Amino acid sequence: NAGVTQTPKFQVLKTGQSMTLQCAQDMNHEYMSWYRQDPGMGLRLIHYSVGAGITDQGEVPNGYNVSRSTTEDFPLRLLSAAPSQTSVYFCASSYLGNSYEQYFGPGTRLTVT
Amino acid sequence: RKEVEQDPGPFNVPEGATVAFNCTYSNSASQSFFWYRQDCRKEPKLLMSVYSSGNEDGRFTAQLNRASQYISLLIRDSKLSDSATYLCVVKNYGGSQGNLIFGKGTKLSVKP
Repeated sequence: NAGVTQTPKFQVLKTGQSMTLQCAQDMNHEYMSWYRQDPGMGLRLIHYSVGAGITDQGEVPNGYNVSRSTTEDFPLRLLSAAPSQTSVYFCASSYLGNSYEQYFGPGTRLTVT
Repeated sequence: RKEVEQDPGPFNVPEGATVAFNCTYSNSASQSFFWYRQDCRKEPKLLMSVYSSGNEDGRFTAQLNRASQYISLLIRDSKLSDSATYLCVVKNYGGSQGNLIFGKGTKLSVKP
């Protein structure tokens, strides 16, 4: 199993550009999520999904869109990049329920200039 | 008040030392508790779940006090390889059962 994969690993965008961060998992997990991690802020939930066709907002959803057309894939779209979106983005997946471990992808380091 | 609060650290300890991290959570409905470990520039990985009765995994011991809404992690006989940031994590009952709430993390540096 590859686990959770993310592409790209690094990305530099100009303000106003759009792009999609890719996330895929091969563990048949129902739950997938996107976090951003900023120095001094910890990990914050952007969007999540409890299954194909179902998405919801997390703590910091503004400026981001998601979709979940398959169990495996959960892309994150930046609509119009802003310098405040400079961050490290992690995708994670798990089985549903309170006791299951979440598996994280290796992260995407995004810089918006 | 942040939902999950941790000692800010950093903790700088010599090899072989015992070190303890503390964490408090504000939502009494929180259901599940974890410690994750994050190495520098890497993704978080589950270190251990925390059970009401307390649990031990080798040199690591986790404790939960629901009455005080307090979680702890004890590391005995610290190794250089224990150097990392330790994240206190809770899952709350209701809403999405997958959502994790992270503390900001406590950085541990173990020196020779």
